[in-house]
Amino acid sequence: DAGVTQSPTHLIKTRGQQVTLRCSPKSGHDTVSWYQQALGQGPQFIFQYYEEEERQRGNFPDRFSGHQFPNYSSELNVNALLLGDSALYLCASSYYGQGAQGYTFGSGTRLTVV
Amino acid sequence: GQQLNQSPQSMFIQEGEDVSMNCTSSSIFNTWLWYKQEPGEGPVLLIALYKAGELTSNGRLTAQFGITRKDSFLNISASIPSDVGIYFCAGHNTNAGKSTFGDGTTLTVKP
Repeated sequence: DAGVTQSPTHLIKTRGQQVTLRCSPKSGHDTVSWYQQALGQGPQFIFQYYEEEERQRGNFPDRFSGHQFPNYSSELNVNALLLGDSALYLCASSYYGQGAQGYTFGSGTRLTVV
Repeated sequence: GQQLNQSPQSMFIQEGEDVSMNCTSSSIFNTWLWYKQEPGEGPVLLIALYKAGELTSNGRLTAQFGITRKDSFLNISASIPSDVGIYFCAGHNTNAGKSTFGDGTTLTVKP
């Protein structure tokens, strides 16, 4: 039973570019949450998707957008990249309404903006 | 917004020693969670707490949900080298649909 799969594992982008990160949830999970983890800090909530809609959003600018597909996989898009967007981006899947104890995190995508 | 203060920031201990770390918040949570993160991996849930005053164990790990609902602590007894990692506390409110994480405690265990 595969856990949460994120791709790519690492990537390097230039300031001003756009990036798309991908997440496949754990089998049986229907909800995907995205977190940003800067170096030396805890994860910060970006947004959550369920039934292909954004359900909750954290304190992130509109440059951060997402999508959920009918198979429950999800994408995180970041436009006009800034140096400060360099971080580990984590995807967590769960069953809707299960609460945080049901989260399974992926290993993340390490984004470096130069 | 909600913020969690986690302490200590780092700990260097000898194998066999006990470890204690805690987390305080300016806001109330209805669930407290403790995670461990190892290099190159996402956080893995260790213990979840659902009720003020609740004390829960998972092997050598024990965590408590503070009575005020604004704090929690994690104890690790008889530490071993594989306990090395970063430990995060997180508060969660079901209605908010998100978890708020502390900045972690980095644990180093010397054999």
